[in-house]
Amino acid sequence: KAGVTQTPRYLIKTRGQQVTLSCSPISGHRSVSWYQQTPGQGLQFLFEYFSETQRNKGNFPGRFSGRQFSNSRSEMNVSTLELGDSALYLCASSLSRGVGELFFGEGSRLTVL
Amino acid sequence: EDKVVQSPLSLVVHEGDTVTLNCSYEVTNFRSLLWYKQEKKAPTFLFMLTSSGIEKKSGRLSSILDKKELSSILNITATQTGDSAIYLCAVHTDKLIFGTGTRLQVFP
Repeated sequence: KAGVTQTPRYLIKTRGQQVTLSCSPISGHRSVSWYQQTPGQGLQFLFEYFSETQRNKGNFPGRFSGRQFSNSRSEMNVSTLELGDSALYLCASSLSRGVGELFFGEGSRLTVL
Repeated sequence: EDKVVQSPLSLVVHEGDTVTLNCSYEVTNFRSLLWYKQEKKAPTFLFMLTSSGIEKKSGRLSSILDKKELSSILNITATQTGDSAIYLCAVHTDKLIFGTGTRLQVFP
């Protein structure tokens, strides 16, 4: 059974640009959540999607957005990039909401110059 | 504000030692507590503890949830170099809230 797949794995952008990251969950998993990981802040919750609807959102500015498609694949977008957005962005999937373990992807490493 | 705190931040031991990692939490609507191991990129699941299952064990790893003290410990006995990683504690409320992790380094 394939795991959670995130693309791209690495990317470099400059300030002011925007970026779109993709996440394909484990087959059958309907809940997808996104996390930002930085050395100083650890893993911070961005948002969760279930059945194409955003169910929960963390404390991030509106520049961070996401969506989920009918096949449960999800994308997140960051607009007007800032230096502080440099981080590892992790996607996790689970069968349903609120219970059970999350399965994480390898992450997308974003560097903003 | 919901909070998860792990200690120590960093730990250096020799192979064969036993280590105890701590996690305390202050959250509303506690559902479960999870432990993850992160070596390179993707955190991998270790244990999930709920009110109905407050102790888990797998090989040399074990974990206990103390709902009265709002805390959990992760024990690793007879540590090996392969145990070197960041250990993450997370509490499930309506979302998953992570601590900043404990970095464990095991030297031969």
